[in-house]
Amino acid sequence: ETGVTQSPTHLIKTRGQQVTLRCSSQSGHNTVSWYQQALGQGPQFIFQYYREEENGRGNFPPRFSGLQFPNYSSELNVNALELDDSALYLCASSLVASGSYEQYFGPGTRLTVT
Amino acid sequence: AQSVTQLGSHVSVSEGALVLLRCNYSSSVPPYLFWYVQYPNQGLQLLLKYTSAATLVKGINGFEAEFKKSETSFHLTKPSAHMSDAAEYFCAVSAQGANNLFFGTGTRLTVIP
Repeated sequence: ETGVTQSPTHLIKTRGQQVTLRCSSQSGHNTVSWYQQALGQGPQFIFQYYREEENGRGNFPPRFSGLQFPNYSSELNVNALELDDSALYLCASSLVASGSYEQYFGPGTRLTVT
Repeated sequence: AQSVTQLGSHVSVSEGALVLLRCNYSSSVPPYLFWYVQYPNQGLQLLLKYTSAATLVKGINGFEAEFKKSETSFHLTKPSAHMSDAAEYFCAVSAQGANNLFFGTGTRLTVIP
């Protein structure tokens, strides 16, 4: 059983650019959530995807968007990058209807915006 | 709405001493509660969870937590700290049936030899 993987591990972008982060869910999981963890803070919920549809969104602007693919992998896209977007981006997968409500986190992608 | 407050951004204990990390929650609906641990440059690992069954929850690595509704608390404890317990600990809450987590700001645990 493979765990949650994310790519790339580190990324440096310039303000105004666009970025795509990728996540592969744990085998058998059908739901993926994305979180932003700023330095010294707890993770904040960005959005969740279930069966390729957005299934809940936190307090993030529309320039944060996502996709979930039939194999349950996922992308997080951020347009018009701002300096405050610098953070660790965490992906978590889970199995809805399992009743466990456990989310399994990947190692994260560290994004630096200069 | 759900939220979590973790009291103490830094906690230091001696090796072998009791670990107590505090978490208080606010939730307009019955909550599910979680403790996660994060080691440097890594993602989050689930330590334990409360999902409305037993109020005393045992997790991995000797940690446990007790759900106290009257105090809206879910404090994490371990009887004897090990050097390997040094890490950042996050308490999180979700509404029952929901699948998104609201995290506290974390507590950094330092274990002194």
